[in-house]
Order: sequence, then C-alpha cells, then structure tokens
Amino acid sequence: DAGVIQSPRHEVTEMGQEVTLRCKPISGHNSLFWYRQTMMRGLELLIYFNNNVPIDDSGMPEDRFSAKMPNASFSTLKIQPSEPRDSAVYFCASSLGTLLANTEAFFGQGTRLTVV
Amino acid sequence: GQQVMQIPQYQHVQEGEDFTTYCNSSTTLSNIQWYKQRPGGHPVFLIQLVKSGEVKKQKRLTFQFGEAKKNSSLHITATQTTDVGTYFCAGRGGQNFVFGPGTRLSVLP
Repeated sequence: DAGVIQSPRHEVTEMGQEVTLRCKPISGHNSLFWYRQTMMRGLELLIYFNNNVPIDDSGMPEDRFSAKMPNASFSTLKIQPSEPRDSAVYFCASSLGTLLANTEAFFGQGTRLTVV
Repeated sequence: GQQVMQIPQYQHVQEGEDFTTYCNSSTTLSNIQWYKQRPGGHPVFLIQLVKSGEVKKQKRLTFQFGEAKKNSSLHITATQTTDVGTYFCAGRGGQNFVFGPGTRLSVLP
C-alpha cells in the first residue's frame, strides 16, 4: 500500500488566494483526520471524518477553513481566503476504526503551506 | 478541556546515553499512543498502551502507562543517532484525542 497520499507537498501562495489541500487515505480505512502543525501550537486536530461524515470539526480555526470528503478515497481541506498565519504543515491521517477505538493513525507526508 | 503535557521540551544527549520523556494528562486517559517524527518527516506510530500500569518494550524503547492512567513515559536505552526526532504522546480522554507538544531529542555522535 502506498500509504496516505497528500498533494501538493509544498504550496506557496499569496495572501487572499484560495488554497486546496488534497488527501487520499489508505484503502479500507474509514476514519480520516486533518491536522495542522506549527512550532507555536504543535499538532492540532482540525477535523475528523468517519465513513465520509464529518464527526468533529471543533478544531477548524474559522470559517475560512472548510473540509470535504466526497467519497472514501478522497478528502480536501480548503482555505479561502488564505492569510500568512495559516502557514504551517498540514497533515492528513487515516485509521481503521473510529476516533474512539484503539487504532493507530497513519500520517501522510504533509503539505507545507506558506502564505506570503 | 483536556490537556496533554510533555517534559522535557528538548533533550540533548551523547550517543550511548539513556533518554526519557514524560507525558502527563489533565484527565484520565482511556489509551495513550506514542509517535516519532523525524526532522522534516511525518509522525509515525510507535505503540499504544491501554491498561493501567502497562509496560511494553520495543528493542531499546520502553513504554509505560501510569497506574492512574494520567501519565506515561518513553525510555530509550543507549541512544543512537537514528533516535533523533520528536517524540509525541497522544491520548484519548472522553471524546477528545489530543497530542502532546512533543520532546525533541538530539543525539550527539
């Protein structure tokens, strides 16, 4: 299995532009997580899907952020409009089972976003 | 809300020395997981502990879950340069699954 696949690996965009990050979870996994990592705040859970349904989006910082999971093999995280403080590494992770189950999460390589 | 803390934040050791990082939660955890992230890499799952007082070993790594299920530790015996990275604990308390801030380990050859 190729693991969790994220694209792009790096994204540099100007403030105000729309940014879309993409994730393909491991086949057969029914939970998908979007995390943001910064030096100041560490790893933050943004949103969690189970069976393509958003279960917990309390970590989404504000309305500029939105996430979708149209099917079991694809998810997007969109920022519109982007701001410099959104600069971070965004990780997608998937797992077999729910957040409440004792299952490990497999992380993608991450997307390093820089908003200038 | 639930908070997970780790100490120390940074640790520099000479190759061959031992290393320990501690994880403390403000609430009782149903499980705790440990992840390692190499510089420039992504978090990789190491292990999960579920039972009170549980101890698990992986070669030179020893993981422990506290009796009260509010703390955990990771101990590395005789560190090697390949151990360099940030070690995160992550725990579930109720409906929340929270990562600690991590301990960054550097190993001097």
